[in-house]
Formats: sequence, structure tokens, C-alpha cells
Amino acid sequence: QVLLQESGPGLVKPSETLSLTCTVSGDSMSGSYWNWIRLAPGKGVEWIGSISYSGSTGYNPSLRSRVAISVDTSKNQFSLRLTSVSAADTAVYYCARERWLQFNYYMDAWGKGTTVTVSS
Amino acid sequence: ETVLTQSPATLSLSPGERATLSCRASQSVSSYVAWYQQKPGQAPRLLIYDASYRATGIPARFSGSGSETDFTLTISSLEPEDFAVYYCQQRSNWPPITFGQGTRLEIK
Repeated sequence: QVLLQESGPGLVKPSETLSLTCTVSGDSMSGSYWNWIRLAPGKGVEWIGSISYSGSTGYNPSLRSRVAISVDTSKNQFSLRLTSVSAADTAVYYCARERWLQFNYYMDAWGKGTTVTVSS
Repeated sequence: ETVLTQSPATLSLSPGERATLSCRASQSVSSYVAWYQQKPGQAPRLLIYDASYRATGIPARFSGSGSETDFTLTISSLEPEDFAVYYCQQRSNWPPITFGQGTRLEIK
């Protein structure tokens, strides 16, 4: 059974960089997409971006200028960097696996989420 | 960007009743829609993918239907553990992958 675990600072200062890592256990990273998603207070679910095993990325255009997702297959980890954060980036951040199911990729495994607060 | 609009925002029902949740896409997404359930303090859980396929371990009381722009999640007979927030998500026109704003299913 695959397990995903987010890790990183819970508090980030405005204008600084948010960095999170997701550690994957119980599954090979090949053949899946690896995603970051967030849920902000009072807002809906927002997809941040994804990366494949080979390092191919896709980002939400609304965040593209500030986001970078990378993968370290030797450690079974992938990471998120979000620069120039503001209070609007305060959210619960989730990592999730997208696996091919029948006709497309869907997020069938999620981490428990980590709360990141942007505040001085 | 494909916008997904869910209705109603809140649905108040009693255990044993039938729940019908709607998701409308701003453009065709074929059948590439998923539904997720989220309970407080938990991660979303995949219920339905490709509009109508139940994910592993999901009870048969959950069913999905629809195509192109209109999709429905039906819970045939509500159990106490089904009261949660439900999101639809499209994987057709990406990036970005987009989610609906959610429907809160609450106990009446």
C-alpha cells in the first residue's frame, strides 16, 4: 500500500520561499504523476502542479511564475518550491499520486496534508 | 481553464435518503471526471473516476454518471459516515487540473 508523507516548515515569512517534500513509500515512482494540491481556508481545492518520474512538469498557470516541482527518484521523493509567498498562500498542502485508471490519470493516493501559514 | 460548478453548495439530508450532487463543466471534458470525498482533518479520497467507475473499496451505494459537461454523483442511501464535502475534478483540459468548489453534505 502506497503511503505519502509531506514534510516542511509550518510557518513561512511573507516574501520568502515555501519548500515542501513528499516522501513516497510502498510504491515505485515510475508510471505515475506526482502532484501538489492545496486547500486554503474558505477556498476550494487548487491544483498547484505535477511531475512525472522522468521529470516532466505541468503547472497551474496562476502559479507558474512562482512554482517549481522537482523529483529525486533515488530517495523516492518529490518537492515543491513556491517563491515570494504571501498570506494568500496560507493553506493545507497535500501531495498526491496520479495513477492511470481505465482511461486517464486520477489521484488515488494522498498524503495527510501539512498546514503552512504565511506570517511574519 | 475549465471551470467546474457544483450544486448545491450545501445539501441537508437524513441517513437513509438519496443524495444527488451535480457538477457542470464550462466546456466539454469528455468523461474525464473524478469525484472525491473529504472529511474534516482528512485528505480527499477518490470515489469515482472516468465519470462512472468506482475506485477500489468504494461501496456500491456511490455511483457516478454523465459526460461532456454535466455530471452527477449519487449516493443511493446515506450512511452516517457519508456526511462530508464532495468535490468533482476534471482531467481533460489541463493544465490546469481543476476542481469544483465543493458540495457540503450535512445531516438534516
